[in-house]
Amino acid sequence: GENVEQHPSTLSVQEGDSAVIKCTYSDSASNYFPWYKQELGKRPQLIIDIRSNVGEKKDQRIAVTLNKTAKHFSLHITETQPEDSAVYFCGSGGYNKLIFGAGTRLAVHP
Amino acid sequence: DAGVTQSPTHLIKTRGQQVTLRCSPKSGHDTVSWYQQALGQGPQFIFQYYEEEERQRGNFPDRFSGHQFPNYSSELNVNALLLGDSALYLCASSLVSGVTYNEQFFGPGTRLTVL
Repeated sequence: GENVEQHPSTLSVQEGDSAVIKCTYSDSASNYFPWYKQELGKRPQLIIDIRSNVGEKKDQRIAVTLNKTAKHFSLHITETQPEDSAVYFCGSGGYNKLIFGAGTRLAVHP
Repeated sequence: DAGVTQSPTHLIKTRGQQVTLRCSPKSGHDTVSWYQQALGQGPQFIFQYYEEEERQRGNFPDRFSGHQFPNYSSELNVNALLLGDSALYLCASSLVSGVTYNEQFFGPGTRLTVL
């Protein structure tokens, strides 16, 4: 069945460093790839998304890259700040279904 | 705009019972998706409702069923509850125009505990 693998499961960085989270998907029909941030006890919130006709997208300190041939996409956070600490989920799918990875717990230490 | 709302916030049931969870989508949205999020895991897709019909379903048994009303709100029903059904149930709404995909907005979730 459809599957999304996400790595690493935990990531610890120093404030100001960069963080990279990688995801691999199995469904070649997927054309939409969102990233959500979930803080403890709160709902997931979209931080950036990319569609299959685009290879890279950037929004301030956050960027996402997509390699459709290899079926993998990555989230890049630069100049990390303590408030970036949360669980991040990647998603893969289309207009009628989204499959999420298991999540990456990011800890940014001052 | 209150965004996506869900009720109840918390629920405790015993094995074998039935439960109904409710979701009101963000204003202007026409599609509701339901997810199960076990502790420490990512949201698992249960199904999606559009135009009052189940449009897509994930790998969940028939004990999980749903409904969408003309005002786009939705219910998730789970019959014959098992201990393993304990989880946070999230609904997410979106506006789907044809096959164009737009952002899913999540609700705060309903925490279901099965004893």
